[in-house]
Parts: sequence; C-alpha cells; structure tokens
Amino acid sequence: KAGVTQTPRYLIKTRGQQVTLSCSPISGHRSVSWYQQTPGQGLQFLFEYFSETQRNKGNFPGRFSGRQFSNSRSEMNVSTLELGDSALYLCASSLVRVGDTQYFGPGTRLTVL
Amino acid sequence: QQQVKQSPQSLIVQKGGIPIINCAYENTAFDYFPWYQQFPGKGPALLIAIRPDVSEKKEGRFTISFNKSAKQFSLHIMDSQPGDSATYFCAAMGGSQGNLIFGKGTKLSVKP
Repeated sequence: KAGVTQTPRYLIKTRGQQVTLSCSPISGHRSVSWYQQTPGQGLQFLFEYFSETQRNKGNFPGRFSGRQFSNSRSEMNVSTLELGDSALYLCASSLVRVGDTQYFGPGTRLTVL
Repeated sequence: QQQVKQSPQSLIVQKGGIPIINCAYENTAFDYFPWYQQFPGKGPALLIAIRPDVSEKKEGRFTISFNKSAKQFSLHIMDSQPGDSATYFCAAMGGSQGNLIFGKGTKLSVKP
C-alpha cells in the first residue's frame, strides 16, 4: 500500500504570495490532518478533514485554509505569506479519526523570503 | 490544560543503554498517548501507543510506561542502537480535543 504523499516537497515563496500544498492519503483513509512543524513551536495542529468537511481546527489565523475532495485528497492554502510561515507542513491520514493509527507524509518544506 | 510537556530536550546515550523520555499532561480527558519517531527529512512515524487502561505496553525494544494518577507517561528504548538516533515526540488526545497535542520533542543520539 502506498504511503501518504505530499507535493511539492520544497517550495520557496516571497512575503505576500500565496501557496497551495497537496496531500494524497493512504488508500481507504478518510481523515486527513495538517500540521505545521517549526524548531521553536514543534508540531502544531492546523486542521482535520473528514468526508470533505473540516471536522477540527487548530489556533491558526484565517490565512490558513484547507479543503478535501471526494477522493479524500486534501489541499492546504496559505494566503499573504509571512516570514514566520516558513516551516515543514505535514499531512497525516487515518482511517476515520486522528486517534486511529495516523500515518504522516514526508512533508512540504516551505521557505518564505 | 492542553499542553504536553516533554523532557529532556536532548539525550545522548551509549549503544546498549536505555534512554528514557518522559511526558506529562494535564487534561484528564486524554485517552490516547502515542509516541512518534522522526528522522531528518522524514515525517513522524508512529512507534507505539497506549491507552489509560494499561500501565505498560511493549513492542520490540520500545516500552511505554503509563502512570494515570501522576498524569505521566514515558518511553524506554531497550538495548539502544545508533540507528535509533532520531527525534522522538510524545502526543496525547481525547475528550473534546479531537486532534493530537504533541510534546516539543527529544533529540536522541546513540553513540557507537
């Protein structure tokens, strides 16, 4: 079974731009969660999608948004990028909920200049 | 209330040693406590997880000890190997918290 895939793996953007990251979960997994990982703050939960609906949301500004498609693939968008948005963005999938065994993708490394 | 405090921040042991990483939580509604291992350039990988109805769980060389009354849990790595060198994260979830709350991580280095 293929693992969680994320594209692109690396991105360089400038302040004020927007970016869209993509995540394909493991086949059959319906829950997709997004996390931001930085050296200072560690792993922080952004949001979770299940059956195309946002089921849970972390404490991030509205510039961070996401969506899920009918095939469970998910995208995350960050608008008006700030320097502090530089981070590794991780996607994780599980069968139904986050408490099920959760599998992480390799992440997208976003650098904002 | 929602934090998971992890210690130490870094740890160096000799091959064959038993590193111990500790985590503490406040929210008594948490009912799922996983540990993740992350190598540089990779996403975290689930190592082992425990629920509060047991005090210990072993999987291979990895053991979770859980103390519900103290609201603490720890990871022990038996017979550690250089290949175990990675960053380890504890996490918790449960109750109204529908997502994982992660500790800040412990960077483990196992010297040959």
